[in-house]
Amino acid sequence: GENVEQHPSTLSVQEGDSAVIKCTYSDSASNYFPWYKQELGKRPQLIIDIRSNVGEKKDQRIAVTLNKTAKHFSLHITETQPEDSAVYFCAASIIGGSQGNLIFGKGTKLSVKP
Amino acid sequence: GAGVSQTPSNKVTEKGKYVELRCDPISGHTALYWYRQSLGQGPEFLIYFQGTGAADDSGLPNDRFFAVRPEGSVSTLKIQRTERGDSAVYLCASSLSSLDEQFFGPGTRLTVL
Repeated sequence: GENVEQHPSTLSVQEGDSAVIKCTYSDSASNYFPWYKQELGKRPQLIIDIRSNVGEKKDQRIAVTLNKTAKHFSLHITETQPEDSAVYFCAASIIGGSQGNLIFGKGTKLSVKP
Repeated sequence: GAGVSQTPSNKVTEKGKYVELRCDPISGHTALYWYRQSLGQGPEFLIYFQGTGAADDSGLPNDRFFAVRPEGSVSTLKIQRTERGDSAVYLCASSLSSLDEQFFGPGTRLTVL
């Protein structure tokens, strides 16, 4: 089955700097890659996602890149702010058909210092 | 509009007891998922419903776990003979279809003493 590895497990940056979180997946059939932000005690919230037919997607300060050949994808946050501090999870999925469940990485705890 | 809701928010039970956890998906969402999240880990898939039927229950850890969605809307996750290892946050998510993004509920924190 699918396995998702996520690095680093913790990341500390200064406000205004960029943050990059990387994930690899094992199943070449995976075609959907969302990123979730989870604040302490709260529900995971989708911040950006990418499907396998594109290599990059951007939404304001957040971007995701996908390399299907290498089976890895990355989250890029620019101009970080203290409110970006949270745990970020990457996930992979095969959408369409009988599946659709997300396989998550173990998370990255991002701390943005003012 | 209303998001995914889950009840109760917290459940404390004793080892060996039976518990039911409820999920109310976003209205009109046909796909519903249950996940379990242990401290410091990512959510772990349990079961996926498309409409009323369980399309994939491969994530259920053993036969003590069962889930239903009789009318294609509300779902109940049932755990028999609870064990301390079942303690976790149980998350429910729904999506318009299996092709769409998943929206998560706030979770039920289950503690088995």
